[in-house]
Amino acid sequence: DAGITQSPRHKVTETGTPVTLRCHQTENHRYMYWYRQDPGHGLRLIHYSYGVKDTDKGEVSDGYSVSRSKTEDFLLTLESATSSQTSVYFCAISGTGSPEAFFGQGTRLTVV
Amino acid sequence: QKEVEQDPGPLSVPEGAIVSLNCTYSNSAFQYFMWYRQYSRKGPELLMYTYSSGNKEDGRFTAQVDKSSKYISLFIRDSQPSDSATYLCAMTLGTGGSYIPTFGRGTSLIVHP
Repeated sequence: DAGITQSPRHKVTETGTPVTLRCHQTENHRYMYWYRQDPGHGLRLIHYSYGVKDTDKGEVSDGYSVSRSKTEDFLLTLESATSSQTSVYFCAISGTGSPEAFFGQGTRLTVV
Repeated sequence: QKEVEQDPGPLSVPEGAIVSLNCTYSNSAFQYFMWYRQYSRKGPELLMYTYSSGNKEDGRFTAQVDKSSKYISLFIRDSQPSDSATYLCAMTLGTGGSYIPTFGRGTSLIVHP
């Protein structure tokens, strides 16, 4: 397995609270991605990073922010969690010039 | 309409059957075509990828790309119960360093003994 660790693996939080999910890689890959996976929608890109401090929005970025201060860490923050953000969140990484993306095990987030 | 369309299934087949999974897409600029397998409560894992049109074989799995029809397929020969999973197609542009995968919704496959 590619060296990708997501934490926490499960979280229950209340509406209106901020939440931060962490993705840590040991592969030194340049690109990191955050996706959410929901029934009927598949995997949708939230944000991605193409280097330290270099990030951009994806298809469903509203209500989310990201930061990447080190190559190995990519943080996803839900600024004020809503029930619509209940989902499974996946981090993925890929190397320069490669279409191969490797995924973490996912974080199951429930907003109540 | 999503850029990548994939029938969610479920597709139920008997063990030993040949399985055909398919995706269509709208963006003719896609250059790389991938297939991922996802077991329940796990992250997707890359099975194989193809560049541009043509076929690629890896064991019991064969990927086909028809760019003229904007249609890709994954064939699984001699299917096994362990193949039961969700299969996701994905595509990337592959130009200017843009390899961000765009995914289909995934097809749930059930192989029964």
